[in-house]
Amino acid sequence: GENVEQHPSTLSVQEGDSAVIKCTYSDSASNYFPWYKQELGKGPQLIIDIRSNVGEKKDQRIAVTLNKTAKHFSLHITETQPEDSAVYFCAAIPAGRRALTFGSGTRLQVQP
Amino acid sequence: AAGVIQSPRHLIKEKRETATLKCYPIPRHDTVYWYQQGPGQDPQFLISFYEKMQSDKGSIPDRFSAQQFSDYHSELNMSSLELGDSALYFCASSLGRDGREQYFGPGTRLTVT
Repeated sequence: GENVEQHPSTLSVQEGDSAVIKCTYSDSASNYFPWYKQELGKGPQLIIDIRSNVGEKKDQRIAVTLNKTAKHFSLHITETQPEDSAVYFCAAIPAGRRALTFGSGTRLQVQP
Repeated sequence: AAGVIQSPRHLIKEKRETATLKCYPIPRHDTVYWYQQGPGQDPQFLISFYEKMQSDKGSIPDRFSAQQFSDYHSELNMSSLELGDSALYFCASSLGRDGREQYFGPGTRLTVT
């Protein structure tokens, strides 16, 4: 089955700096890669996703890049703000499945 | 915009009891997914339904069952509860069965004592 690895497990940045979270996946047939933000006591919130036929996607301060050859994808947050502090999960949908396999999560802390 | 609704938000049960969790998907969404999230862990897929039929199955224990009703809401039934079942249970919904663009509800926190 699909295995998604996520790094780092914790990340602390100063307000205004950029943050990068990386994920690798094992199933070369996976073709959909979303990112979720989870605040304490809340459900995961879909913040951006990318499909395998696209190499990069941006939405204001967040962007996702995908390297299908290397089987990794990354989340980039620019001009970080304290409200960006949360746990971020990457995910993938394995071939033949319709459910998400999540990475282990990254706790991002933005210091004001 | 309307979101996924889950009830109850908190539930306390004793070992060997049963529990029923309910999920109301975003209007017009036809697919529902259930995930379990332990403390400090990532969500683990349990089961999903598309148009009232089971669509995919993950690591759902045999003690658990679920269904989707004609109004697209779904219920997760949990029997013979164990201490290890204590977790957050999330429901997500999407339009279409390919698993993309899943939107999660606020979750039900189940505590088994």
